[in-house]
Amino acid sequence: SQQGEEDPQALSIQEGENATMNCSYKTSINNLQWYRQNSGRGLVHLILIRSNEREKHSGRLRVTLDTSKKSSSLLITASRAADTASYFCATDADNYGQNFVFGPGTRLSVLP
Amino acid sequence: EAQVTQNPRYLITVTGKKLTVTCSQNMNHEYMSWYRQDPGLGLRQIYYSMNVEVTDKGDVPEGYKVSRKEKRNFPLILESPSPNQTSLYFCASSLRAGGVYGYTFGSGTRLTVV
Repeated sequence: SQQGEEDPQALSIQEGENATMNCSYKTSINNLQWYRQNSGRGLVHLILIRSNEREKHSGRLRVTLDTSKKSSSLLITASRAADTASYFCATDADNYGQNFVFGPGTRLSVLP
Repeated sequence: EAQVTQNPRYLITVTGKKLTVTCSQNMNHEYMSWYRQDPGLGLRQIYYSMNVEVTDKGDVPEGYKVSRKEKRNFPLILESPSPNQTSLYFCASSLRAGGVYGYTFGSGTRLTVV
């Protein structure tokens, strides 16, 4: 069963613009993580946000978490062509984090 | 370099021919996991391992086996592959379970079963 669902499924923007992706989940979580995947490659961990945190920054990335709405957003500022990839949110589906459940992802295209 | 190494990267096999996809990590991670990725379905967990000799089923374990005899290795075994197991497979590891640590992923194994 899918815990996280990213929105939109696909996003196309111009270089320099900001990109925002959203993730909604169904059950309570302890942690939420965001990953990037370049086409056909392994996923790369971007950022982790805990349930008691509301916002976190890492370079050009900003992640927010709203546990009351069971949603998170990933903002990439000043996007570059190299940001073209699929982005996934992952949530711990149980209290022990044994099973991190990934959403279907948002495919981001940054056009030069 | 800290990494998760999967082999092979590409594999074409025939229905019923047993195969093993290897996964090795050099980070002394306790937790390891296998995922398959299919279009429109995202990543689905096949099996995971909390530590040596401790393995458990994920969401889609049917048709797969795993073992964890050593901390660094977590092979995925398909005893009798079928075409519906054609997929992109990823091995991942984390310092511990619990979701507090990020996962490190391997580069993937693209398996085609004909």
